[in-house]
Formats: sequence, structure tokens, C-alpha cells
Amino acid sequence: LAKTTQPISMDSYEGQEVNITCSHNNIATNDYITWYQQFPSQGPRFIIQGYKTKVTNEVASLFIPADRKSSTLSLPRVSLSDTAVYYCLVGDPPHTGGFKTIFGAGTRLFVKA
Amino acid sequence: DARVTQTPRHKVTEMGQEVTMRCQPILGHNTVFWYRQTMMQGLELLAYFRNRAPLDDSGMPKDRFSAEMPDATLATLKIQPSEPRDSAVYFCASAGGRGNQPQHFGDGTRLSIL
Repeated sequence: LAKTTQPISMDSYEGQEVNITCSHNNIATNDYITWYQQFPSQGPRFIIQGYKTKVTNEVASLFIPADRKSSTLSLPRVSLSDTAVYYCLVGDPPHTGGFKTIFGAGTRLFVKA
Repeated sequence: DARVTQTPRHKVTEMGQEVTMRCQPILGHNTVFWYRQTMMQGLELLAYFRNRAPLDDSGMPKDRFSAEMPDATLATLKIQPSEPRDSAVYFCASAGGRGNQPQHFGDGTRLSIL
């Protein structure tokens, strides 16, 4: 399974753009990159998923370079409510189907007023 | 908005007691996951099912934990006998498609073993 490495924590201010980078040097050809957000006392919530280049949705953008050994989650104009833990996952679906996922320690983002 | 439902939300019991946690996956999702989260270990994958069949339970202590899917609308995780080190938040998640679709998590069961 591809292992991921992220910064343990980050601080930001309201209105700023936040970029969280995840390293996954051993990513496999079939792996997708997925980011989740978790608030206290809640389960993780899907943010965005991509395979290569750039993906954008109403919440965030995901940038993936050509070698796919890293990815960057970009949160535009963060607010206090974006304070959460952000997890980067790299999937390793076995040939039988399924999606065994390994959550790393995540990045604890703290947004200040 | 479809959601994964977990019951109970909180459970406090004494060591040695049997604990059963239940999960109702999103209708139509064919892959179900069980995770455990603690401050020390973070989120750990315990087991996952596809089309109700267990695909991988290597993350689960086999001597006391068991996971089943009696039907497509119910997944259970049992601990017997429970121990204080089992205290954690247990999350269930479900996913559709061929399993590489995003997982949808429930709000977890907070378990405390005294």
C-alpha cells in the first residue's frame, strides 16, 4: 500500500488560500488520490478525488503533477469553519475489487480570525 | 441527503461485556468499512466487506472482534469480551461502484470500556 506523508499541522488566517501537500512516492498505476476532512466528533467527509492533473469542485482543488508522487489540496479563502483535520489517502484496490484504505495522521489545519 | 447511520452513538460498559455496534450503509452501496479511531493510533481500518462478503479483516483482533453483514442494510461489529483498550470511536463507512468511489462515513460509536 502506498504510504502518504503530510505536515502534522498548519495555521492560516481567514480569507487566505491554504495549500496542503501530500507525498506518496510509492503510488501505483491504478491508485486514486482522495482527500477527506474531519471535524471533532464526526466521521471523515469526502472533499475531492483525482487521478492526475487538476480537479476542481465547489469546495477545493486538487493538483497532481505528472509523476503523481505528490498532490496538493488547495482550499480557497478559508474560514474559521475550515478548521479540521485533512487526510490524504492513496487507494490500492486489489484485483478482487474493494478499496483498502490507510489513513495517515492527517494535517490539522487551524484557521484564525 | 443519504447518510450512513450508526447505533448506538455512545456506549459505556464494563470490561468483559459483549458490545455490538450497528451500521446501516447508504442504500445501494456495496462496500462497507469498519474503522477505529484513537488519539494514539489515529484511524485504523479494521475490516471491509464487498457485496456482504468479507474481503479483508486483517486489521481486526480475531480473538475478540467479529464483523458481519446479515443483509445489505445492516453491518455489525461485535467485541466479546471487551477490554479497556478497546475504548475508541468506531466508524462505519460505505461506498458504491467498484469500491473506488469516495467513502461516506457515519458519525461513529464512541465506546468506553471501564
